[in-house]
Amino acid sequence: DAGVIQSPRHEVTEMGQEVTLRCKPISGHDYLFWYRQTMMRGLELLIYFNNNVPIDDSGMPEDRFSAKMPNASFSTLKIQPSEPRDSAVYFCASRRKTGGTETQYFGPGTRLLVL
Amino acid sequence: DQQVKQNSPSLSVQEGRISILNCDYTNSMFDYFLWYKKYPAEGPTFLISISSIKDKNEDGRFTVFLNKSAKHLSLHIVPSQPGDSAVYFCAAHGSSNTGKLIFGQGTTLQVKP
Repeated sequence: DAGVIQSPRHEVTEMGQEVTLRCKPISGHDYLFWYRQTMMRGLELLIYFNNNVPIDDSGMPEDRFSAKMPNASFSTLKIQPSEPRDSAVYFCASRRKTGGTETQYFGPGTRLLVL
Repeated sequence: DQQVKQNSPSLSVQEGRISILNCDYTNSMFDYFLWYKKYPAEGPTFLISISSIKDKNEDGRFTVFLNKSAKHLSLHIVPSQPGDSAVYFCAAHGSSNTGKLIFGQGTTLQVKP
C-alpha cells in the first residue's frame, strides 16, 4: 500500500513568491492533517479536514496560508506571499476514524526554504 | 500554551542500556497518549500508545508508563540499539475530539555503539 504522498520534497523560493504544497492521503482515510515542524515550535497542527471539509484551521498562522481539499485523494497548502519565517518542514498526515487511539500516518514532508 | 512538553531536547545512551524519554502534559482531559519516532528526511511514524485507563503498555523493547496524578509519561527502550537513534515525539488527544493530536517538542535520542 502506498503511504501518504507529498510533493515536492524540497522547495526553495524567494520571498514574496507563491508556494503550493501537495498531498495525497492514504486511500480510504477520511481525515487529513497539515503540520509544520520548526526547531522552535516542534510539530504544530495547521489545519485538518474530515471528508474533505475543513474542521479546524486555528493553527493556520495568518491569512497568507490557505488549504484546500477538493476531493478525498488530494489536498494543497498554499502560502502567498511567502516569507523567510515560513521556512520549515511541512507534513501531511491522514487517518481513518476508529475508536480508541487515533493513529495518524505521516508523509515524508516538504522541506521549504524561503530566501 | 504548551500542553505537551518534552523538556529534554536530547539524550545519549550506550548501546544495550536503557533509554528513558520523558513527557509532561497539562491537560487533564487527555485520554490517549502516543509516541512517534522520526528519522531524518522522513515523516514521524507511530511507535506505541497508551490509554489513560492504563498505567503501562509494552510492545517488545518499548514500554510506555503513564502517571496520571503527576501528568507524566515516559518511554523506556530496553535494550537500546543504534537503529533507535531518532527524534521521539510525545503526543496526546482527548476522546471527545476527532483526532487532533497535540505534540511535544521532541527529544533526539542518540544510541552509541
